[in-house]
Amino acid sequence: AQTVTQSQPEMSVQEAETVTLSCTYDTSESDYYLFWYKQPPSRQMILVIRQEAYKQQNATENRFSVNFQKAAKSFSLKISDSQLGDAAMYFCAYRSGSGSARQLTFGSGTQLTVLP
Amino acid sequence: DTGVSQDPRHKITKRGQNVTFRCDPISEHNRLYWYRQTLGQGPEFLTYFQNEAQLEKSRLLSDRFSAERPKGSFSTLEIQRTEQGDSAMYLCASSLARGREGELFFGEGSRLTVL
Repeated sequence: AQTVTQSQPEMSVQEAETVTLSCTYDTSESDYYLFWYKQPPSRQMILVIRQEAYKQQNATENRFSVNFQKAAKSFSLKISDSQLGDAAMYFCAYRSGSGSARQLTFGSGTQLTVLP
Repeated sequence: DTGVSQDPRHKITKRGQNVTFRCDPISEHNRLYWYRQTLGQGPEFLTYFQNEAQLEKSRLLSDRFSAERPKGSFSTLEIQRTEQGDSAMYLCASSLARGREGELFFGEGSRLTVL
C-alpha cells in the first residue's frame, strides 16, 4: 500500500517570503500522480497543484511550484511571495496511475501560518 | 452555487443512533467520493462511485456504513448504530471522469459528533 508522509506538522512564514513544505511517499509503482491540496479554516479543500510522475518537469501554478524528485520519492511544495490568504492546512496526496484505483491517499498535513 | 454541497453541516447524536449524510455533487460530475477526516489527520478514503455504481470500498467502511448513489446524482452515507469512534468530518468530493486525474472538488463536509 502507498503511504504519504508529511514530517512538518506546522510551519510559519513571513508575508512576502518563501516557504517550502515537505512530502515523501512510498510506492512500488512507476505510474502515479501527486498533488498538493489546501484546506483553509472551515472551508472546502481545493487543489493547489498536481504532478504526473512521468513528467520530469516540475509543475508550477503562479506562486506555487513543486520540486519532484522521483528517485528520492520526494515532492515538496514551494510557495513564493506568501500571502495572508495562503494560511491553511496543506495536504500532500498520491494517486495510482494504473488499474481502476481512483482514490487519493493523503498525508497528515502541514498547518501553514502566514505572519503579517 | 454550483459547488459540492453537503447536508447537514453538523450532526450531534447519541451512541447507537443512525445518521445519514447527503452529498450533492457538481451536476456534470459522474464520479463521487466519500472521505473521513479526523482532527489533525488527512482525509481517509471510504468509497467511490462512478455514476450509480459503487466501484471501490475501503476496508475502513465497516458493515455499519452504507453508501448509495441512486440515479447517479446525489449520494447518501448512512452510519448505523453509531459509536464514539465514528466522530469525524465526512467529506464528499466529485470529479469528471474525463477531467484532470485526481482533481477532486470537495464539499465543506459534515461534522459528526457521537456522544
